[in-house]
Amino acid sequence: GAVVSQHPSWVICKSGTSVKIECRSLDFQATTMFWYRQFPKQSLMLMATSNEGSKATYEQGVEKDKFLINHASLTLSTLTVTSAHPEDSSFYICSARGSGPYEQYFGPGTRLTVT
Amino acid sequence: AQSVAQPEDQVNVAEGNPLTVKCTYSVSGNPYLFWYVQYPNRGLQFLLKYITGDNLVKGSYGFEAEFNKSQTSFHLKKPSALVSDSALYFCAVRVPLSGGYNKLIFGAGTRLAVHP
Repeated sequence: GAVVSQHPSWVICKSGTSVKIECRSLDFQATTMFWYRQFPKQSLMLMATSNEGSKATYEQGVEKDKFLINHASLTLSTLTVTSAHPEDSSFYICSARGSGPYEQYFGPGTRLTVT
Repeated sequence: AQSVAQPEDQVNVAEGNPLTVKCTYSVSGNPYLFWYVQYPNRGLQFLLKYITGDNLVKGSYGFEAEFNKSQTSFHLKKPSALVSDSALYFCAVRVPLSGGYNKLIFGAGTRLAVHP
């Protein structure tokens, strides 16, 4: 099946620094990519939806200037957490949709810890 | 508002017994429903989906789900549970966005614990 990778799988950074997370679709072209965050023992909350070559659409309450999303190609999307704070510590999961209308494929997630 | 509810935080079942993980939904129009499983510190794995057709949907790892329109439910089932089925299960519904796009809305998740 379709594979989505994320890098890094985990990262620790200091408060005030920026962190970039990459999401790649390895064997298909992803016309749409999604970024979610998941707090411990909670569900996935959609942060933003990005379509290749256009600006991301952010969910209500998500700061677009803090969580920068770039979907520069059909196989790569990046999420940059700018000026990270401890409350940004979370599990970030990306997801990609190919040409099929229904399936969404999820990456393995990136655990971000801000100290 | 369009939403998905998973009323049980945790389901406990003995290995070999049948299991059910409940899901109800509230959407306008025809629902497109999904089940995903998540193992610790991993992303989500697709189990099955209902789009149209037969109300009983068969998916991966022996799981199946029954779509019930009158009860607005899409419960996940398996005839005989395995210890390795222990994980976090999410029900999701696809909702439309402007411009012909759509997104998934997830339930809160149900932790399945299968005991030997």
